[in-house]
Amino acid sequence: EVQLLESGGGLVQPGGSLRLSCAASGFTFSSYAMSWVRQAPGKGLEWVSAISGSGGSTYYADSVKGRFTISRDNSKNTLYLQMNSLRAEDTAVYYCAKNSPNEDYWYFDLWGRGTLVTVSS
Amino acid sequence: DIQMTQSPSSLSASVGDRVSITCRASQSITTYLNWYQQKPGKAPKLLIYAASTLQSGVPSRFSGRGSGTDFTLTISSLQPEDFATYYCQQSYRTPLTFGGGTKVEIK
Repeated sequence: EVQLLESGGGLVQPGGSLRLSCAASGFTFSSYAMSWVRQAPGKGLEWVSAISGSGGSTYYADSVKGRFTISRDNSKNTLYLQMNSLRAEDTAVYYCAKNSPNEDYWYFDLWGRGTLVTVSS
Repeated sequence: DIQMTQSPSSLSASVGDRVSITCRASQSITTYLNWYQQKPGKAPKLLIYAASTLQSGVPSRFSGRGSGTDFTLTISSLQPEDFATYYCQQSYRTPLTFGGGTKVEIK
């Protein structure tokens, strides 16, 4: 079955760190760029970061640049998001998403169920 | 960054109605525009990419059109399962950005 399964969310204090994981199955993971998209409670969608299939190229939203690091392990079919210096405004459901096959045109054709990150003291 | 503005932010409609949602980009994005549907507590689902290409498995009552800065998602005959929030997203350049969403509610 083609699916993405996120894990690693939870409650963390401001200034703390958390690492999210996304396990992929049912497709050739290394052939696709992957992204993280988040959604604050009751709010809209915000793209956070993306990584190419090889892992050689990474992209970030300005709101997380310098604090978050995206990476992948193609041998384990797993995507990661290391989140440091967390702020209250990072509180959100974090979705892992598979990018489209064409790296010149990105859309998200497969999404995980999401994992909730709460930043609070 | 490219700003995406959706209108209306919400609408009420009845089953069988024709519904249109507009998305406007702050600069030309040619046809680098995608549409998603999200139901409460669920992940978004891709409906349309490249402004007008229907994703596999999506009912043909959904359609998209537009280019440049102005785009429209149309549902030709609203069904009970279509009550949801709809988002547009540009993929012309990073950072990828989404519209604020349009909530389609039952009248």
